[in-house]
Amino acid sequence: SQTIHQWPATLVQPVGSPLSLECTVEGTSNPNLYWYRQAAGRGLQLLFYSVGIGQISSEVPQNLSASRPQDRQFILSSKKLLLSDSGFYLCAWSVSPGRRETQYFGPGTRLLVL
Amino acid sequence: AQSVTQLGSHVSVSEGALVLLRCNYSSSVPPYLFWYVQYPNQGLQLLLKYTSAATLVKGINGFEAEFKKSETSFHLTKPSAHMSDAAEYFCAVTPNNNAGNMLTFGGGTRLMVKP
Repeated sequence: SQTIHQWPATLVQPVGSPLSLECTVEGTSNPNLYWYRQAAGRGLQLLFYSVGIGQISSEVPQNLSASRPQDRQFILSSKKLLLSDSGFYLCAWSVSPGRRETQYFGPGTRLLVL
Repeated sequence: AQSVTQLGSHVSVSEGALVLLRCNYSSSVPPYLFWYVQYPNQGLQLLLKYTSAATLVKGINGFEAEFKKSETSFHLTKPSAHMSDAAEYFCAVTPNNNAGNMLTFGGGTRLMVKP
């Protein structure tokens, strides 16, 4: 069966510090991968998605970037964190880009920028 | 652009009572529709999805939803609430084009279950 991991589970970082969040998927090959952010009072927002190694699409211009160095690894990064980057970051995967395909979510990383 | 509206950011029911969580979408062509549940400090779990087959969709934990094209709705129901149903529920749609399965989420509804 497929599983999705995210770490760290919780992170407290000072403003201006760098960020690296990691997401890995097991039990499947060539998944579509997604990064979402859930901020207080703002619902779920798609940040990035990837259909393959090195292929990243950004949905919202921001202080963050994403990379996919391996087939089942998706990394969310920032060079300098802002207060507004605080939130709950969720990684998800799907079998293919088809509209009926379910997206499966990881446990999330809670980021607090002080 | 598609959008999803969940009426009521907070819904409170008594244990054993009917649960009704509302979701309306805006789209010129019926989209694919999903309901997810999020327990505190956890990721999202799929409850059920509508992909143009039967309009009444049954999901996990006794939940079901009915797709009503005339009302552009996909409301989530459960006949009898349990304390364990307390969570946040999200309705989501995928676009009605060939741009892949980018999910657009509603704002979420937090369900509280009173003993």
